[in-house]
Amino acid sequence: AQKITQTQPGMFVQEKEAVTLDCTYDTSDQSYGLFWYKQPSSGEMIFLIYQGSYDEQNATEGRYSLNFQKARKSANLVISASQLGDSAMYFCAMREGMMNGMRFGAGTRLTVKP
Amino acid sequence: DSGVTQTPKHLITATGQRVTLRCSPRSGDLSVYWYQQSLDQGLQFLIQYYNGEERAKGNILERFSAQQFPDLHSELNLSSLELGDSALYFCASSVGRNIRTTDTQYFGPGTRLTVL
Repeated sequence: AQKITQTQPGMFVQEKEAVTLDCTYDTSDQSYGLFWYKQPSSGEMIFLIYQGSYDEQNATEGRYSLNFQKARKSANLVISASQLGDSAMYFCAMREGMMNGMRFGAGTRLTVKP
Repeated sequence: DSGVTQTPKHLITATGQRVTLRCSPRSGDLSVYWYQQSLDQGLQFLIQYYNGEERAKGNILERFSAQQFPDLHSELNLSSLELGDSALYFCASSVGRNIRTTDTQYFGPGTRLTVL
């Protein structure tokens, strides 16, 4: 069963605007972690932001913030003030429990227009 | 640069062959994870090692095996290769201590395997 769902295969955003990338997840675990990674065309996977299931505050890292709605099981990534270099694939991932592999969504391809 | 290194960067081989992919984790990280990224399956977790011991298994085929050595580097062995094994193979590492922490996984640059 698909545990991580990213419903937007592709998104476009104008430079300097904000964009929200959607992610919903499914788990029966109480302890889990949610991650967002960026994969540019060069192929590497770059860690962006983390949200723990017990964290009460939404995570923020620079221009990245995570809109965590636990009851709705959603963990949307918000990128503020988009830059051309933000054009990439973005993956949402979940780790159930501790010290475990992650499950990834199918990804969203973000294109930032000048 | 994540600090995780993988060799080789590219690998081209034929069906039926066996290959070994190598990964060195970030300094201080005890856990190593292997992932496969393919067009049809997306990103899939294969296997995890922690301080030399197998810790968790994902969708790893029986033809694939891995190990983590005393110096903490890891190797992923792929045998009896099929066309469908062509993919980008990532190694990731994390601190791995079993405490309530992010234990973020940092990815290496990947090895692109092409099976002809």
